[in-house]
Amino acid sequence: AQSVTQLGSHVSVSEGALVLLRCNYSSSVPPYLFWYVQYPNQGLQLLLKYTSAATLVKGINGFEAEFKKSETSFHLTKPSAHMSDAAEYFCAVSPTGGGNKLTFGTGTQLKVEL
Amino acid sequence: DGGITQSPKYLFRKEGQNVTLSCEQNLNHDAMYWYRQDPGQGLRLIYYSQIVNDFQKGDIAEGYSVSREKKESFPLTVTSAQKNPTAFYLCASSIPAGGMTEAFFGQGTRLTVV
Repeated sequence: AQSVTQLGSHVSVSEGALVLLRCNYSSSVPPYLFWYVQYPNQGLQLLLKYTSAATLVKGINGFEAEFKKSETSFHLTKPSAHMSDAAEYFCAVSPTGGGNKLTFGTGTQLKVEL
Repeated sequence: DGGITQSPKYLFRKEGQNVTLSCEQNLNHDAMYWYRQDPGQGLRLIYYSQIVNDFQKGDIAEGYSVSREKKESFPLTVTSAQKNPTAFYLCASSIPAGGMTEAFFGQGTRLTVV
């Protein structure tokens, strides 16, 4: 069964600093991978997705993620944090050719400080 | 505007009662899903449906029931058999495309047992 692990349930950065949120996946074949963002009491919004077309994926709000098969990782980065980036971020995996059931990580709460 | 509508936003249930959460989408998506979100546990799949009149259990289906009589609607009933129903419930939909399409989420329903 496939799964994702998000290292660090809470991450704190200063405004303007690099954001790095970690996600490692476990799958026998390269899966499809997604990053979602959730603001308090809201649904999830897609930031970006990896579907094997390119290993470096650019998303909304200046976020990007790089798929590294050798490290089984799909870390989310943003060069310069903004206060509005404070939210919870979820990494998710979907099996290739196996339907669209997403398996989510436990989430990382990002705090941005002045 | 296309999207997913969940209602109500807040719901209170007494011990021993069944309650039904509504989920409606106008995205013309075939697949619909129900997830449960608890702090620190990410999202867990309750039920999903790939087509009208068909649905499958997810990872935590005990104490829940669903129906899929119309493409647009996928209501979730939380029965009295669910021993710990207090949680944030998220409905999602997607185009079934071998796992590479993202899921779109509603704004969620927060259920509290009183």
